[in-house]
Amino acid sequence: GESVGLHLPTLSVQEGDNSIINCAYSNSASDYFIWYKQESGKGPQFIIDIRSNMDKRQGQRVTVLLNKTVKHLSLQIAATQPGDSAVYFCAESQNFVFGPGTRLSVLP
Amino acid sequence: GAGVSQSPSNKVTEKGKDVELRCDPISGHTALYWYRQSLGQGLEFLIYFQGNSAPDKSGLPSDRFSAERTGGSVSTLTIQRTQQEDSAVYLCASSSRGGNEQFFGPGTRLTVL
Repeated sequence: GESVGLHLPTLSVQEGDNSIINCAYSNSASDYFIWYKQESGKGPQFIIDIRSNMDKRQGQRVTVLLNKTVKHLSLQIAATQPGDSAVYFCAESQNFVFGPGTRLSVLP
Repeated sequence: GAGVSQSPSNKVTEKGKDVELRCDPISGHTALYWYRQSLGQGLEFLIYFQGNSAPDKSGLPSDRFSAERTGGSVSTLTIQRTQQEDSAVYLCASSSRGGNEQFFGPGTRLTVL
């Protein structure tokens, strides 16, 4: 069956460092992925998306990389800030499949 | 407001009772989704509405779960004869069309005693 999973359930980084959150997917036909951020007590919020015809997409302080060969994508957050503390989900958008999430904790 | 709203924000019910959860999507969004999120878990897809098409019910866990969307806008998720394992946060999202960025509501936290 389809699955979207994350390599690490938790990630702690020092404020100012870069964060990398990884995600693996199983459906090679997936062509659209989204990263969401979910703060405590709130619904997920869109961060950035990428289509399968791209390898990289950049936003403000965030970059998503897609490696279709190994069915892997990552979210990179530059200069991580306390406000970045949240759970991050990757999602394969076509079939509404979300990974289990990675909790990012930013240490002062 | 401009966002997705859900009501109630919290619902406590007794095992065996029926509950209705409401979702008001962003005006003009044709796609509406329901998800379930258990504590510390990811999102579990339940059902998807797109315009006037038949809904994708493939994620509904049992026939106790049903959802409708009236007039292409408001949606209600109904859980009949609730069980303790139904306790979770139920999230609704909408998008301008299926497969696009989804805008989520704050969720309804359901607790079944």
